[in-house]
Amino acid sequence: EIVLTQSPGTLSLSPGERATLSCRASQSVSSSYLAWYQQKPGQAPRLLIYGASSRATGIPDRFSGSGSGTDFTLTISRLEPEDFAVYYCQQYGSSPQITFGQGTRLEIK
Amino acid sequence: EVQLVESGGGLVQPGGSLRLSCAASGFTFSSYSMNWVRQAPGKGLEWVSYISSSSSTIYYADSVKGRFTISRDNAKNSLYLQMNSLRAEDTAVYYCARRGIVVVPAATYYYMDVWGKGTTVTVSS
Repeated sequence: EIVLTQSPGTLSLSPGERATLSCRASQSVSSSYLAWYQQKPGQAPRLLIYGASSRATGIPDRFSGSGSGTDFTLTISRLEPEDFAVYYCQQYGSSPQITFGQGTRLEIK
Repeated sequence: EVQLVESGGGLVQPGGSLRLSCAASGFTFSSYSMNWVRQAPGKGLEWVSYISSSSSTIYYADSVKGRFTISRDNAKNSLYLQMNSLRAEDTAVYYCARRGIVVVPAATYYYMDVWGKGTTVTVSS
């Protein structure tokens, strides 16, 4: 099973700042199968990024993804108040097991 | 509007059974693979099970293998999760999620692009 480790666990920033979230895989993951999700309290997750760097429909361009192999990054260029949430990376690989990272909580400083 | 609506959650005793349903609308359900994903209180997301569009391929997380059964009825646009031998650690919000796919010449992308609001399962005596 591929284990995804996200860091930091909690990130405290102010609106307008830049956020950088990390996702590290225990073994190489195809970029095609790496996605990022946003989840707000009491809501279902929302797809942000697929294929490591492609924005989902309707996602603002302040969200960007990058990386390959075992290291992936979600960047929010300029935080808006509505961006404070929990973010998960996910690998949807060719193996039967689909895994999520443990999440990064992005909170207002 | 593309929509998934889960139902069937509730309170059940350890060792009991429950059947979750997920009703799909606004898209051609029979063309898409589907997943169940759960989230224990205050915890992260955990993938539970996958079923292909024709039901020919099914996968389970190790934590539920042998106890849970995923199925679908394309004629009814519905996805199901039969949960038996339930344990306290199965307590969670259960989401159904559509597998999105993009095929380009160089790659095929998989992700979960449509999610229901979830149904809550509580296993307790």
